Amino acid sequence: AQSVTQPDIHITVSEGASLELRCNYSYGATPYLFWYVQSPGQGLQLLLKYFSGDTLVQGIKGFEAEFKRSQSSFNLRKPSVHWSDAAEYFCAVGALGGATNKLIFGTGTLLAVQP
Amino acid sequence: EPEVTQTPSHQVTQMGQEVILRCVPISNHLYFYWYRQILGQKVEFLVSFYNNEISEKSEIFDDQFSVERPDGSNFTLKIRSTKLEDSAMYFCASSMREGTDTQYFGPGTRLTVL
Repeated sequence: AQSVTQPDIHITVSEGASLELRCNYSYGATPYLFWYVQSPGQGLQLLLKYFSGDTLVQGIKGFEAEFKRSQSSFNLRKPSVHWSDAAEYFCAVGALGGATNKLIFGTGTLLAVQP
Repeated sequence: EPEVTQTPSHQVTQMGQEVILRCVPISNHLYFYWYRQILGQKVEFLVSFYNNEISEKSEIFDDQFSVERPDGSNFTLKIRSTKLEDSAMYFCASSMREGTDTQYFGPGTRLTVL
């Protein structure tokens, strides 16, 4: 079955520390992968996406993610976290060239940033 | 930068009442979607819409739900007779193309059914 797993429900990091948010997917077709961020009271903002090519993708706000097919993972990273990064982060997967357009989301990881 | 807008931001209704959630997708986009997020749960796909018809729907999208693009700009989700379990945040999204294209999300409408 198609699914996305974000194993960490809640993560707390200190400002300036590095961050890695985990995402694993199960998808029969070739996936395309997204990370979205949701700040309180806001909608889902796209951070970055992977369709093909270089497996390390750069996004907005200094985030990057690496696609590892062998591990079915697409982890999100940031070398130095800012207080404004506190939000909920969602990994999502869709079908590349498939018949469906829907995105399948993980349960999200809530990031808290300590001063 | 163009964005998807949704109204209202919060709607409170009584069980059994009809509600219409409104969305204005990005103007040159052709594909439209509704998702929902029950509090504390994951974002779930409801329906996709293209060329004035539903292209895909989930098992959640039963006969109580309908979508419409009544004019060139709005995209609506109607729930005919709301249930307590319909309480959720409803997100509208749009994309220019299907398949690999990025879906851009609106800020959501929080629906509370009493």
